[in-house]
Amino acid sequence: DTEVTQTPKHLVMGMTNKKSLKCEQHMGHRAMYWYKQKAKKPPELMFVYSYEKLSINESVPSRFSPECPNSSLLNLHLHALQPEDSALYLCASSQEGQGNEKLFFGSGTQLSVL
Amino acid sequence: AQSVTQLGSHVSVSEGALVLLRCNYSSSVPPYLFWYVQYPNQGLQLLLKYTSAATLVKGINGFEAEFKKSETSFHLTKPSAHMSDAAEYFCAVSVGGYNKLIFGAGTRLAVHP
Repeated sequence: DTEVTQTPKHLVMGMTNKKSLKCEQHMGHRAMYWYKQKAKKPPELMFVYSYEKLSINESVPSRFSPECPNSSLLNLHLHALQPEDSALYLCASSQEGQGNEKLFFGSGTQLSVL
Repeated sequence: AQSVTQLGSHVSVSEGALVLLRCNYSSSVPPYLFWYVQYPNQGLQLLLKYTSAATLVKGINGFEAEFKKSETSFHLTKPSAHMSDAAEYFCAVSVGGYNKLIFGAGTRLAVHP
């Protein structure tokens, strides 16, 4: 199984809602990532977890809260988002988190904030 | 600081023609370089990567890239384009020890009959 599974595929939420994005992999990878991709732009790194510990936070606003309950799961909790947060949110994983590794990406969650 | 620049936001080729997508990098240390492809409404898929072994790197779907230190380039090529190659292509460089990928702006490849 070489898949990274993200749910939901689409999400529409209001600015006062709380929602969560979920990501799962069963490749035994120990590094997991959240990327944000605006339309017609490249992905931008948000967070990196290595061995279930947060190793990189790219100065992401606190309305985005990541969580890594175990080595297979990665969540992104959303609260009080702004319309400009509408984007494709991509999860990825890699074996150890080393710089020469291939990233395996999920298909993303398309988020719309109204 | 490490970065990549992709020359040409749109490239259009005929089916069967050579594909050449350009990427130049900036790095103070030997870089790890990658090409990823993104099809509509999908995530990214690795085409190939350079990690300081061979300078000519072969990837999936008939793509290859050559690392040229003197030109600070890592251009992606394919001898004969297929309609199925139409997609967005991203060059990326890895920064630091945690596989922090910095992507170029992307090149949209169109293939016409």
